[in-house]
Amino acid sequence: QLQLQESGPGLVKPSETVSLTCTVSGGSFSGRNYHWGWIRQPPGKGLEWLGSIHYTGSTHYNPSLRTRGTISVDTSNNQFSLRLRSVTAADTAMYYCARQSSSGEWLEAFDIWGQGTLVIVSS
Amino acid sequence: DMQMTQSPSSLSASVGDRVTITCQASHDIRNYLNWYQQKPGKAPKLLIYDASNLETGVPPRFSGSGYGTDFSFTISSLQPEDIATYYCQQYDDNITFGQGTRLEIK
Repeated sequence: QLQLQESGPGLVKPSETVSLTCTVSGGSFSGRNYHWGWIRQPPGKGLEWLGSIHYTGSTHYNPSLRTRGTISVDTSNNQFSLRLRSVTAADTAMYYCARQSSSGEWLEAFDIWGQGTLVIVSS
Repeated sequence: DMQMTQSPSSLSASVGDRVTITCQASHDIRNYLNWYQQKPGKAPKLLIYDASNLETGVPPRFSGSGYGTDFSFTISSLQPEDIATYYCQQYDDNITFGQGTRLEIK
């Protein structure tokens, strides 16, 4: 069945850029009715949607992320990525990737999730 | 900005109890609301979509209802494996999650 796996550096210094990748396996990456999203969760806190991308490259961002974050897609490798610039301690979190059902550009539910990758911002 | 107010923030109940969590949207979101379960150390799992539809494979003791601004999520008979944090998520105006409800066994 479809699986998602996040990968990332683990530890990042303040002011640097962190790049995370989600690899999709066991199913279709190029389905019309799905987007691929990033969601993060600071330790002990709730969930925050960061943004989502369609395999065509169409993106949607949380307005709070728009100036620092970029989501991209690599269909040849069934991957999508998040780049977050100028990180601070507030960006320390578990970062999840997930498949998101959609109707055109209307984003809906996250129905399959990766296990998450922890990013710690510290000098 | 859309705000989702979820309550209570924590809840303690006994096995077999009926448990209800509510989620209130700051604006009308029609039925564009989902519910997730997150067990400690795990990724969230989709339980209910479009306010009241049960995701495939989810036990029928879980249910959701509501429309507009007021929504509820119910476990009809609490089981030990239901210990988790539950989140609502709206998708009418961007994507926003509620603050979560931590459910414990009494």
